[in-house]
Amino acid sequence: LAKTTQPISMDSYEGQEVNITCSHNNIATNDYITWYQQFPSQGPRFIIQGYKTKVTNEVASLFIPADRKSSTLSLPRVSLSDTAVYYCLVGDRSPGNTPLVFGKGTRLSVIA
Amino acid sequence: SAVISQKPSRDICQRGTSLTIQCQVDSQVTMMFWYRQQPGQSLTLIATANQGSEATYESGFVIDKFPISRPNLTFSTLTVSNMSPEDSSIYLCSAWTATGNTIYFGEGSWLTVV
Repeated sequence: LAKTTQPISMDSYEGQEVNITCSHNNIATNDYITWYQQFPSQGPRFIIQGYKTKVTNEVASLFIPADRKSSTLSLPRVSLSDTAVYYCLVGDRSPGNTPLVFGKGTRLSVIA
Repeated sequence: SAVISQKPSRDICQRGTSLTIQCQVDSQVTMMFWYRQQPGQSLTLIATANQGSEATYESGFVIDKFPISRPNLTFSTLTVSNMSPEDSSIYLCSAWTATGNTIYFGEGSWLTVV
Protein backbone atom coordinates (compact mmCIF):
# COMPACT_ATOMS: atom_id res chain seq x y z
CA LEU A 1 0.00 0.00 0.00
CA ALA A 2 1.27 3.44 -0.90
CA LYS A 3 2.08 5.44 2.22
CA THR A 4 1.04 9.07 2.35
CA THR A 5 2.59 12.05 4.09
CA GLN A 6 0.67 15.23 4.85
CA PRO A 7 1.29 18.26 7.04
CA ILE A 8 -0.11 17.66 10.50
CA SER A 9 -1.90 20.99 10.66
CA MET A 10 -2.57 24.20 8.74
CA ASP A 11 -4.15 27.52 9.60
CA SER A 12 -5.94 29.84 7.21
CA TYR A 13 -8.08 32.95 7.30
CA GLU A 14 -11.58 32.96 5.94
CA GLY A 15 -11.82 33.72 2.25
CA GLN A 16 -8.37 32.44 1.40
CA GLU A 17 -7.52 29.56 -0.88
CA VAL A 18 -6.04 26.60 0.96
CA ASN A 19 -3.75 24.06 -0.65
CA ILE A 20 -2.95 20.84 1.17
CA THR A 21 -0.20 18.73 -0.36
CA CYS A 22 0.14 15.00 0.08
CA SER A 23 3.24 12.97 -0.79
CA HIS A 24 2.89 9.40 -2.03
CA ASN A 25 6.23 8.46 -3.50
CA ASN A 26 5.50 4.76 -4.00
CA ILE A 27 2.12 5.11 -5.66
CA ALA A 28 1.31 2.17 -7.91
CA THR A 29 0.07 2.28 -11.48
CA ASN A 30 -3.46 1.24 -10.53
CA ASP A 31 -3.73 3.56 -7.54
CA TYR A 32 -6.12 6.48 -7.36
CA ILE A 33 -5.85 9.42 -4.99
CA THR A 34 -8.84 10.15 -2.80
CA TRP A 35 -9.42 12.92 -0.29
CA TYR A 36 -11.81 12.85 2.64
CA GLN A 37 -12.99 15.51 5.07
CA GLN A 38 -13.88 14.70 8.66
CA PHE A 39 -15.62 16.91 11.17
CA PRO A 40 -15.48 16.08 14.89
CA SER A 41 -17.73 13.20 15.88
CA GLN A 42 -18.70 12.46 12.27
CA GLY A 43 -17.66 9.90 9.71
CA PRO A 44 -15.27 10.94 6.91
CA ARG A 45 -16.92 12.51 3.90
CA PHE A 46 -15.68 11.92 0.35
CA ILE A 47 -14.43 15.12 -1.27
CA ILE A 48 -12.69 14.28 -4.50
CA GLN A 49 -10.81 11.56 -6.34
CA GLY A 50 -8.36 11.61 -9.21
CA TYR A 51 -5.77 9.67 -11.16
CA LYS A 52 -3.75 12.32 -12.95
CA THR A 53 -3.71 15.98 -14.02
CA LYS A 54 -6.58 17.98 -12.56
CA VAL A 55 -10.01 17.15 -11.23
CA THR A 56 -12.53 19.74 -10.12
CA ASN A 57 -15.93 19.47 -8.51
CA GLU A 58 -18.24 21.84 -6.68
CA VAL A 59 -16.23 21.53 -3.48
CA ALA A 60 -12.54 21.35 -4.40
CA SER A 61 -9.87 20.82 -7.01
CA LEU A 62 -7.25 18.12 -7.05
CA PHE A 63 -3.95 18.67 -8.82
CA ILE A 64 -1.77 15.67 -9.64
CA PRO A 65 1.59 16.13 -11.41
CA ALA A 66 2.75 13.85 -14.17
CA ASP A 67 4.87 11.65 -11.88
CA ARG A 68 1.91 11.22 -9.49
CA LYS A 69 4.21 11.17 -6.48
CA SER A 70 2.25 13.93 -4.83
CA SER A 71 -1.11 15.61 -5.03
CA THR A 72 -2.60 18.90 -3.87
CA LEU A 73 -6.11 19.45 -2.61
CA SER A 74 -7.22 23.01 -3.24
CA LEU A 75 -10.12 24.53 -1.31
CA PRO A 76 -11.21 27.88 -2.75
CA ARG A 77 -12.24 30.68 -0.40
CA VAL A 78 -12.49 28.68 2.80
CA SER A 79 -14.99 29.49 5.51
CA LEU A 80 -15.13 28.63 9.19
CA SER A 81 -17.18 25.55 8.34
CA ASP A 82 -14.22 24.11 6.44
CA THR A 83 -12.39 23.58 9.73
CA ALA A 84 -11.86 19.82 9.73
CA VAL A 85 -9.31 17.06 9.29
CA TYR A 86 -8.47 16.25 5.68
CA TYR A 87 -7.18 12.82 4.74
CA CYS A 88 -5.30 11.87 1.59
CA LEU A 89 -5.55 8.21 0.64
CA VAL A 90 -3.97 6.22 -2.15
CA GLY A 91 -5.19 2.86 -3.31
CA ASP A 92 -6.59 0.70 -6.03
CA ARG A 93 -10.25 1.56 -6.37
CA SER A 94 -11.27 -1.80 -7.80
CA PRO A 95 -13.77 -3.52 -5.54
CA GLY A 96 -12.35 -6.47 -3.72
CA ASN A 97 -8.81 -5.18 -3.69
CA THR A 98 -7.01 -3.61 -0.76
CA PRO A 99 -9.20 -1.33 1.34
CA LEU A 100 -8.17 2.25 1.90
CA VAL A 101 -5.71 2.86 4.73
CA PHE A 102 -5.85 6.23 6.45
CA GLY A 103 -2.79 8.28 7.37
CA LYS A 104 -2.72 10.91 10.07
CA GLY A 105 -4.47 13.61 8.06
CA THR A 106 -4.13 17.39 8.08
CA ARG A 107 -6.03 19.41 10.65
CA LEU A 108 -7.17 22.63 8.97
CA SER A 109 -8.20 25.49 11.21
CA VAL A 110 -9.96 28.41 9.54
CA ILE A 111 -9.79 31.66 11.44
CA ALA A 112 -12.22 34.56 11.12
CA SER B 1 -23.13 7.56 -3.31
CA ALA B 2 -24.48 5.33 -0.54
CA VAL B 3 -26.30 6.26 2.63
CA ILE B 4 -24.96 4.31 5.59
CA SER B 5 -26.81 4.21 8.89
CA GLN B 6 -25.30 3.01 12.13
CA LYS B 7 -26.93 2.13 15.41
CA PRO B 8 -26.33 3.05 18.15
CA SER B 9 -24.84 6.44 17.42
CA ARG B 10 -23.58 6.71 20.96
CA ASP B 11 -23.51 4.54 24.05
CA ILE B 12 -21.95 4.26 27.46
CA CYS B 13 -21.03 0.70 28.31
CA GLN B 14 -19.97 -1.10 31.43
CA ARG B 15 -16.59 -2.76 31.58
CA GLY B 16 -16.79 -6.45 30.73
CA THR B 17 -19.95 -6.23 28.67
CA SER B 18 -20.37 -6.57 24.91
CA LEU B 19 -22.13 -4.31 22.45
CA THR B 20 -23.23 -4.93 18.89
CA ILE B 21 -23.19 -2.12 16.36
CA GLN B 22 -25.45 -2.38 13.35
CA CYS B 23 -24.70 -0.96 9.92
CA GLN B 24 -27.32 -0.64 7.19
CA VAL B 25 -26.62 0.54 3.65
CA ASP B 26 -29.38 1.86 1.42
CA SER B 27 -28.19 -0.15 -1.58
CA GLN B 28 -26.35 -3.35 -2.30
CA VAL B 29 -22.62 -2.89 -2.01
CA THR B 30 -19.68 -5.05 -2.89
CA MET B 31 -17.50 -4.54 0.15
CA MET B 32 -18.07 -3.41 3.71
CA PHE B 33 -15.40 -2.44 6.20
CA TRP B 34 -15.19 -1.60 9.89
CA TYR B 35 -12.81 1.06 11.20
CA ARG B 36 -11.97 2.24 14.68
CA GLN B 37 -11.00 5.80 15.53
CA GLN B 38 -9.62 6.43 18.99
CA PRO B 39 -9.89 9.94 20.42
CA GLY B 40 -7.71 12.39 18.51
CA GLN B 41 -6.38 9.69 16.21
CA SER B 42 -6.80 8.65 12.62
CA LEU B 43 -8.92 5.74 11.44
CA THR B 44 -7.63 2.19 11.82
CA LEU B 45 -9.07 -0.63 9.75
CA ILE B 46 -10.42 -3.47 11.89
CA ALA B 47 -11.67 -5.86 9.25
CA THR B 48 -13.37 -6.42 5.94
CA ALA B 49 -16.86 -7.83 6.36
CA ASN B 50 -17.34 -10.58 3.79
CA GLN B 51 -20.82 -11.55 2.71
CA GLY B 52 -21.51 -15.16 3.55
CA SER B 53 -18.09 -15.92 5.01
CA GLU B 54 -15.83 -15.00 7.88
CA ALA B 55 -14.49 -11.48 8.07
CA THR B 56 -10.90 -10.70 7.16
CA TYR B 57 -9.15 -9.11 10.12
CA GLU B 58 -6.21 -6.73 10.10
CA SER B 59 -3.16 -7.26 12.25
CA GLY B 60 -3.93 -6.60 15.88
CA PHE B 61 -7.62 -7.41 15.64
CA VAL B 62 -9.12 -10.84 16.32
CA ILE B 63 -12.49 -12.43 15.80
CA ASP B 64 -13.01 -13.25 19.46
CA LYS B 65 -12.78 -9.59 20.39
CA PHE B 66 -14.53 -8.12 17.33
CA PRO B 67 -16.90 -10.69 15.82
CA ILE B 68 -18.43 -9.44 12.59
CA SER B 69 -21.40 -10.63 10.63
CA ARG B 70 -22.56 -9.80 7.14
CA PRO B 71 -25.66 -11.80 6.30
CA ASN B 72 -26.46 -9.93 3.07
CA LEU B 73 -25.24 -7.21 0.73
CA THR B 74 -26.69 -4.31 2.71
CA PHE B 75 -26.17 -5.14 6.37
CA SER B 76 -23.34 -5.86 8.78
CA THR B 77 -22.75 -5.95 12.50
CA LEU B 78 -19.66 -5.46 14.63
CA THR B 79 -19.59 -6.67 18.22
CA VAL B 80 -17.09 -5.28 20.67
CA SER B 81 -16.70 -8.04 23.25
CA ASN B 82 -15.66 -7.93 26.88
CA MET B 83 -15.11 -4.20 26.71
CA SER B 84 -12.48 -2.28 28.62
CA PRO B 85 -11.87 1.49 28.77
CA GLU B 86 -9.28 1.08 26.01
CA ASP B 87 -12.13 0.18 23.65
CA SER B 88 -13.61 3.65 24.01
CA SER B 89 -13.61 4.83 20.41
CA ILE B 90 -15.68 5.73 17.44
CA TYR B 91 -16.48 2.68 15.36
CA LEU B 92 -17.17 3.42 11.72
CA CYS B 93 -18.85 1.29 9.12
CA SER B 94 -17.97 1.89 5.50
CA ALA B 95 -19.03 0.49 2.17
CA TRP B 96 -17.45 0.31 -1.25
CA THR B 97 -19.74 1.15 -4.12
CA ALA B 98 -18.81 0.11 -7.62
CA THR B 99 -20.72 3.04 -9.08
CA GLY B 100 -18.87 5.59 -6.97
CA ASN B 101 -15.56 3.75 -7.08
CA THR B 102 -14.76 4.82 -3.57
CA ILE B 103 -15.84 4.06 -0.02
CA TYR B 104 -18.47 5.92 1.94
CA PHE B 105 -18.79 6.09 5.70
CA GLY B 106 -21.53 6.03 8.26
CA GLU B 107 -21.65 8.65 10.96
CA GLY B 108 -20.01 6.34 13.45
CA SER B 109 -20.89 4.80 16.78
CA TRP B 110 -19.25 6.52 19.73
CA LEU B 111 -18.65 4.05 22.56
CA THR B 112 -17.50 5.05 26.00
CA VAL B 113 -16.54 2.22 28.34
CA VAL B 114 -16.68 2.97 32.05
